[in-house]
Amino acid sequence: QQPVQSPQAVILREGEDAVINCSSSKALYSVHWYRQKHGEAPVFLMILLKGGEQKGHEKISASFNEKKQQSSLYLTASQLSYSGTYFCGTDQQGGKLIFGQGTELSVKP
Amino acid sequence: DTGVSQNPRHKITKRGQNVTFRCDPISEHNRLYWYRQTLGQGPEFLTYFQNEAQLEKSRLLSDRFSAERPKGSFSTLEIQRTEQGDSAMYLCASSLARQEGMGRNTGELFFGEGSRLTVL
Repeated sequence: QQPVQSPQAVILREGEDAVINCSSSKALYSVHWYRQKHGEAPVFLMILLKGGEQKGHEKISASFNEKKQQSSLYLTASQLSYSGTYFCGTDQQGGKLIFGQGTELSVKP
Repeated sequence: DTGVSQNPRHKITKRGQNVTFRCDPISEHNRLYWYRQTLGQGPEFLTYFQNEAQLEKSRLLSDRFSAERPKGSFSTLEIQRTEQGDSAMYLCASSLARQEGMGRNTGELFFGEGSRLTVL
């Protein structure tokens, strides 16, 4: 079942912070976060595993609430390069990722 | 460049024709995924492989779609009797899944640049 992301879109000024949320109705084993720029393939940002293990880019942080099946991606001190569409992908079991509908982030100078 | 290559990058075809896409994953990756993406939407899961075994195929996927990964390396996705609704970007991704417990995937996905299909 497709996870739900919020907000659908957000506009920031450089240096501002943003939080993107991802919610599932099913128990999750892991949550992945990807960013996709227009005309390009999605690029890995972060993976959060049940049990607390995380791996990803140093400048990206995220949380995973296993009980609520929710994850949040924190973007701090945003830069122009952060612009793009952010997708969460959820893994319930077996390893396939189901992606949310995306959150479009625009960072303005 | 993620190391995952897809061919062709663009394909224009007439309704009713068959098309085939190829994906070459990162060589040591044991998992390979196919997704479909339309404008403004997230990638939609189609199917995935662990080595040469096809582990799951989306229930929403028509029988006109078939995928193979014959030697556990490259994969092909074939669409038979294409329809205009098949027009989309077809994305391939690979990962290295560590076998933990029930074999859940703990590896990030590396996506190819995609194959864009236009059905006239």
